[in-house]
Amino acid sequence: ETGVTQTPRHLVMGMTNKKSLKCEQHLGHNAMYWYKQSAKKPLELMFVYNFKEQTENNSVPSRFSPECPNSSHLFLHLHTLQPEDSALYLCASSQDRFTRFYEQYFGPGTRLTVT
Amino acid sequence: AQKITQTQPGMFVQEKEAVTLDCTYDTSDQSYGLFWYKQPSSGEMIFLIYQGSYDEQNATEGRYSLNFQKARKSANLVISASQLGDSAMYFCAMSSNDYKLSFGAGTTVTVRA
Repeated sequence: ETGVTQTPRHLVMGMTNKKSLKCEQHLGHNAMYWYKQSAKKPLELMFVYNFKEQTENNSVPSRFSPECPNSSHLFLHLHTLQPEDSALYLCASSQDRFTRFYEQYFGPGTRLTVT
Repeated sequence: AQKITQTQPGMFVQEKEAVTLDCTYDTSDQSYGLFWYKQPSSGEMIFLIYQGSYDEQNATEGRYSLNFQKARKSANLVISASQLGDSAMYFCAMSSNDYKLSFGAGTTVTVRA
Protein backbone atom coordinates (compact mmCIF):
# COMPACT_ATOMS: atom_id res chain seq x y z
CA GLU A 1 0.00 0.00 0.00
CA THR A 2 1.18 3.50 -0.75
CA GLY A 3 -0.02 6.96 0.21
CA VAL A 4 -3.05 7.34 2.44
CA THR A 5 -5.69 4.63 2.66
CA GLN A 6 -9.15 4.78 4.18
CA THR A 7 -11.65 2.10 5.07
CA PRO A 8 -14.47 1.59 4.51
CA ARG A 9 -15.01 3.51 1.28
CA HIS A 10 -18.77 3.57 1.79
CA LEU A 11 -20.78 3.32 4.99
CA VAL A 12 -24.49 3.41 5.68
CA MET A 13 -25.49 3.56 9.32
CA GLY A 14 -28.55 4.22 11.39
CA MET A 15 -28.66 6.99 13.95
CA THR A 16 -28.29 4.55 16.84
CA ASN A 17 -25.33 2.65 15.40
CA LYS A 18 -21.68 2.87 16.41
CA LYS A 19 -19.07 2.59 13.70
CA SER A 20 -15.46 3.58 13.10
CA LEU A 21 -13.59 5.01 10.14
CA LYS A 22 -9.98 4.01 9.69
CA CYS A 23 -7.12 5.89 8.06
CA GLU A 24 -3.57 4.71 7.51
CA GLN A 25 -0.68 6.64 5.98
CA HIS A 26 2.41 5.01 4.51
CA LEU A 27 4.37 8.23 3.97
CA GLY A 28 6.26 8.53 7.25
CA HIS A 29 4.38 11.72 8.12
CA ASN A 30 3.89 13.05 11.62
CA ALA A 31 0.62 14.96 11.29
CA MET A 32 -2.80 13.55 10.42
CA TYR A 33 -6.14 15.26 9.82
CA TRP A 34 -9.85 14.55 9.54
CA TYR A 35 -11.96 16.68 7.20
CA LYS A 36 -15.67 16.69 6.45
CA GLN A 37 -16.90 17.53 2.95
CA SER A 38 -20.63 18.18 2.64
CA ALA A 39 -22.40 18.91 -0.60
CA LYS A 40 -21.96 22.49 -1.76
CA LYS A 41 -19.72 23.43 1.20
CA PRO A 42 -15.96 23.90 1.45
CA LEU A 43 -13.93 21.28 3.23
CA GLU A 44 -14.20 21.62 6.99
CA LEU A 45 -11.28 20.71 9.20
CA MET A 46 -12.39 18.52 12.10
CA PHE A 47 -9.30 17.30 13.98
CA VAL A 48 -5.53 17.58 13.78
CA TYR A 49 -3.01 15.21 15.34
CA ASN A 50 0.72 15.88 15.48
CA PHE A 51 3.02 13.14 16.78
CA LYS A 52 -0.10 11.31 18.09
CA GLU A 53 -1.22 14.33 20.12
CA GLN A 54 -4.44 16.11 19.27
CA THR A 55 -3.66 19.74 18.49
CA GLU A 56 -6.95 20.92 17.01
CA ASN A 57 -10.59 20.20 17.64
CA ASN A 58 -12.56 22.48 15.40
CA SER A 59 -15.71 22.63 17.54
CA VAL A 60 -16.75 19.17 16.44
CA PRO A 61 -19.76 17.57 18.21
CA SER A 62 -18.88 14.87 20.73
CA ARG A 63 -20.64 12.21 18.65
CA PHE A 64 -17.40 12.24 16.62
CA SER A 65 -14.48 10.86 18.61
CA PRO A 66 -10.99 10.67 17.09
CA GLU A 67 -8.23 8.30 18.09
CA CYS A 68 -4.59 8.30 17.01
CA PRO A 69 -2.71 5.29 18.44
CA ASN A 70 0.46 6.08 16.45
CA SER A 71 1.66 8.43 13.73
CA SER A 72 0.50 6.09 10.96
CA HIS A 73 -3.05 5.36 12.06
CA LEU A 74 -6.06 7.57 12.68
CA PHE A 75 -9.58 6.55 13.58
CA LEU A 76 -12.86 8.41 13.74
CA HIS A 77 -15.39 6.76 16.03
CA LEU A 78 -19.01 7.58 15.26
CA HIS A 79 -22.05 7.20 17.52
CA THR A 80 -25.61 8.49 17.55
CA LEU A 81 -25.10 10.47 14.36
CA GLN A 82 -27.65 12.73 12.71
CA PRO A 83 -28.74 12.72 9.05
CA GLU A 84 -26.88 16.02 8.53
CA ASP A 85 -23.65 14.17 9.31
CA SER A 86 -23.94 12.42 5.96
CA ALA A 87 -20.88 13.54 4.00
CA LEU A 88 -17.53 12.52 2.56
CA TYR A 89 -14.98 12.15 5.35
CA LEU A 90 -11.43 12.67 4.20
CA CYS A 91 -8.26 11.79 6.04
CA ALA A 92 -4.98 13.54 5.25
CA SER A 93 -1.39 13.53 6.40
CA SER A 94 1.57 15.90 6.13
CA GLN A 95 5.17 15.97 7.20
CA ASP A 96 4.19 17.99 10.24
CA ARG A 97 1.45 20.39 11.25
CA PHE A 98 3.12 23.55 9.93
CA THR A 99 0.72 23.55 7.04
CA ARG A 100 1.99 26.72 5.42
CA PHE A 101 5.07 24.82 4.27
CA TYR A 102 3.95 21.26 3.72
CA GLU A 103 1.32 19.90 1.41
CA GLN A 104 -1.23 17.47 2.74
CA TYR A 105 -1.84 14.12 1.10
CA PHE A 106 -5.40 12.85 1.18
CA GLY A 107 -6.98 9.45 1.24
CA PRO A 108 -9.87 8.45 -1.05
CA GLY A 109 -12.46 9.26 1.61
CA THR A 110 -15.34 7.43 3.24
CA ARG A 111 -18.80 8.26 1.89
CA LEU A 112 -21.04 8.18 4.96
CA THR A 113 -24.82 8.05 4.80
CA VAL A 114 -26.80 8.32 8.03
CA THR A 115 -30.36 7.00 7.77
CA ALA B 1 -9.41 34.82 9.62
CA GLN B 2 -8.25 33.71 6.23
CA LYS B 3 -10.57 33.52 3.28
CA ILE B 4 -10.22 31.88 -0.12
CA THR B 5 -12.44 32.93 -3.00
CA GLN B 6 -12.99 30.97 -6.19
CA THR B 7 -15.50 32.86 -8.29
CA GLN B 8 -15.91 30.35 -11.12
CA PRO B 9 -18.28 27.54 -10.11
CA GLY B 10 -17.84 25.75 -13.44
CA MET B 11 -15.80 25.96 -16.62
CA PHE B 12 -15.69 24.19 -19.96
CA VAL B 13 -12.46 23.83 -21.92
CA GLN B 14 -11.64 22.20 -25.23
CA GLU B 15 -9.16 19.34 -25.19
CA LYS B 16 -5.55 20.50 -25.77
CA GLU B 17 -6.37 24.10 -24.83
CA ALA B 18 -5.21 25.93 -21.71
CA VAL B 19 -7.53 26.95 -18.88
CA THR B 20 -7.03 29.41 -16.03
CA LEU B 21 -8.76 28.91 -12.68
CA ASP B 22 -9.07 32.00 -10.52
CA CYS B 23 -8.26 32.16 -6.83
CA THR B 24 -7.99 35.16 -4.55
CA TYR B 25 -7.13 35.08 -0.90
CA ASP B 26 -7.28 37.36 2.07
CA THR B 27 -4.78 37.29 4.90
CA SER B 28 -2.86 39.77 7.01
CA ASP B 29 -0.02 37.31 7.57
CA GLN B 30 3.28 37.76 5.74
CA SER B 31 4.19 34.09 5.63
CA TYR B 32 1.72 31.71 4.06
CA GLY B 33 1.44 28.85 1.63
CA LEU B 34 -0.91 28.47 -1.31
CA PHE B 35 -1.99 25.11 -2.67
CA TRP B 36 -4.10 23.69 -5.46
CA TYR B 37 -5.84 20.33 -5.25
CA LYS B 38 -7.77 18.29 -7.80
CA GLN B 39 -10.76 16.18 -6.78
CA PRO B 40 -12.06 13.73 -9.41
CA SER B 41 -15.49 12.20 -9.06
CA SER B 42 -13.90 9.34 -7.11
CA GLY B 43 -13.47 11.74 -4.18
CA GLU B 44 -9.75 11.69 -3.50
CA MET B 45 -8.05 15.10 -3.15
CA ILE B 46 -4.88 15.13 -5.23
CA PHE B 47 -2.17 17.69 -4.46
CA LEU B 48 -1.10 19.58 -7.59
CA ILE B 49 1.13 22.52 -6.80
CA TYR B 50 2.45 24.71 -3.96
CA GLN B 51 3.54 28.35 -3.79
CA GLY B 52 5.16 29.92 -0.74
CA SER B 53 4.52 33.58 -0.08
CA TYR B 54 8.24 34.36 -0.18
CA ASP B 55 8.88 32.45 -3.40
CA GLU B 56 9.88 34.93 -6.08
CA GLN B 57 9.23 32.63 -9.00
CA ASN B 58 5.88 31.17 -9.98
CA ALA B 59 5.60 27.47 -9.20
CA THR B 60 5.34 24.97 -12.04
CA GLU B 61 4.66 21.23 -12.00
CA GLY B 62 4.40 19.64 -15.41
CA ARG B 63 1.28 21.03 -17.11
CA TYR B 64 0.32 23.00 -14.00
CA SER B 65 1.59 26.48 -13.25
CA LEU B 66 0.59 28.92 -10.57
CA ASN B 67 0.30 32.58 -11.52
CA PHE B 68 1.16 34.23 -8.20
CA GLN B 69 0.43 37.96 -7.94
CA LYS B 70 1.17 38.87 -4.35
CA ALA B 71 0.06 42.50 -4.49
CA ARG B 72 -3.30 41.45 -5.90
CA LYS B 73 -3.51 38.48 -3.53
CA SER B 74 -4.26 36.12 -6.35
CA ALA B 75 -2.97 32.62 -7.07
CA ASN B 76 -4.49 31.44 -10.32
CA LEU B 77 -3.90 27.92 -11.60
CA VAL B 78 -3.12 27.45 -15.28
CA ILE B 79 -3.56 24.00 -16.81
CA SER B 80 -1.93 23.77 -20.21
CA ALA B 81 -2.81 21.30 -22.97
CA SER B 82 -5.98 20.08 -21.24
CA GLN B 83 -6.74 16.37 -21.28
CA LEU B 84 -10.02 14.53 -20.75
CA GLY B 85 -8.63 13.24 -17.46
CA ASP B 86 -8.38 16.81 -16.18
CA SER B 87 -12.16 16.93 -15.75
CA ALA B 88 -12.60 17.33 -12.00
CA MET B 89 -13.23 19.78 -9.19
CA TYR B 90 -10.28 22.05 -8.40
CA PHE B 91 -9.73 23.62 -5.00
CA CYS B 92 -7.49 26.50 -4.01
CA ALA B 93 -6.27 26.42 -0.40
CA MET B 94 -4.14 28.54 1.89
CA SER B 95 -2.37 28.16 5.19
CA SER B 96 -0.73 30.84 7.29
CA ASN B 97 0.16 31.29 10.91
CA ASP B 98 -2.67 29.29 12.41
CA TYR B 99 -1.42 26.07 10.85
CA LYS B 100 -4.75 25.22 9.26
CA LEU B 101 -5.47 24.66 5.61
CA SER B 102 -8.49 26.67 4.43
CA PHE B 103 -10.17 25.71 1.18
CA GLY B 104 -12.16 27.67 -1.37
CA ALA B 105 -15.52 26.51 -2.70
CA GLY B 106 -13.96 24.92 -5.77
CA THR B 107 -14.28 25.15 -9.56
CA THR B 108 -15.60 22.31 -11.68
CA VAL B 109 -13.67 21.85 -14.92
CA THR B 110 -15.14 19.87 -17.79
CA VAL B 111 -12.83 19.06 -20.70
CA ARG B 112 -14.58 18.53 -24.04
CA ALA B 113 -13.19 16.28 -26.77
